[in-house]
Amino acid sequence: QVQLQQWGAGLLKPSETLSLTCAVYGGSFSGYYWSWIRQPPGKGLEWIGEINHSGSTNYNPSLKSRVTISVDTSKNQFSLKLSSVTAADTAVYYCARGRSGRVVVTAFYYYYYYMDVWGKGTTVTVSS
Amino acid sequence: SSELTQDPAVSVALGQTVRITCQGDSLRSYYASWYQQKPGQAPVLVIYGKNNRPSGIPDRFSGSSSGNTASLTITGAQAEDEADYYCNSRDSSGNHPLVFGGGTKLTVL
Repeated sequence: QVQLQQWGAGLLKPSETLSLTCAVYGGSFSGYYWSWIRQPPGKGLEWIGEINHSGSTNYNPSLKSRVTISVDTSKNQFSLKLSSVTAADTAVYYCARGRSGRVVVTAFYYYYYYMDVWGKGTTVTVSS
Repeated sequence: SSELTQDPAVSVALGQTVRITCQGDSLRSYYASWYQQKPGQAPVLVIYGKNNRPSGIPDRFSGSSSGNTASLTITGAQAEDEADYYCNSRDSSGNHPLVFGGGTKLTVL
């Protein structure tokens, strides 16, 4: 059974860089997308970005200028860095495993994507 | 469009059927996935693809799609189904970033 274990600093000051790591246990690292998602207090889920096993990344356009996601396949780990944090970046941060594909429906391609394994979340607070 | 729209709140009587919807242009070519989140917990995948349930998800959960709207249906809602529900898919434009709906708070009466 695949498990994601995440860790990182929970308290930051404004302008510092958030750094989190997620380790994958019990399953393959290749063939999947590895995402970071966050949830501000009392609000909904926001996708931050993703990386695949070969290091190709895709970021939320609204955060792209501050986000870097990297992968260490030798350790089955991927990491998130978010620079120049402010109080608005206070949230629970989750890592997750994503899977995608396509099926043919009445002669057209229909695509699917889902995240089937999630980390437990890391609370990050930005405060001076 | 990079938005998925959900009703903020829905209620259902115990044992009755409820449908939670998600609207967005990307849903014309992407199936939505659905996540259940209870307070203080990580989201849990409940429906993916055309209408697939991960192992351990009760068969009272089902999914469907028509045009730009995806639906999550709970047939015979139980007290433990009270939670926030989020839809998710890729945006159909640009680099296909992922997007979440704003979430629907389900109350079981």
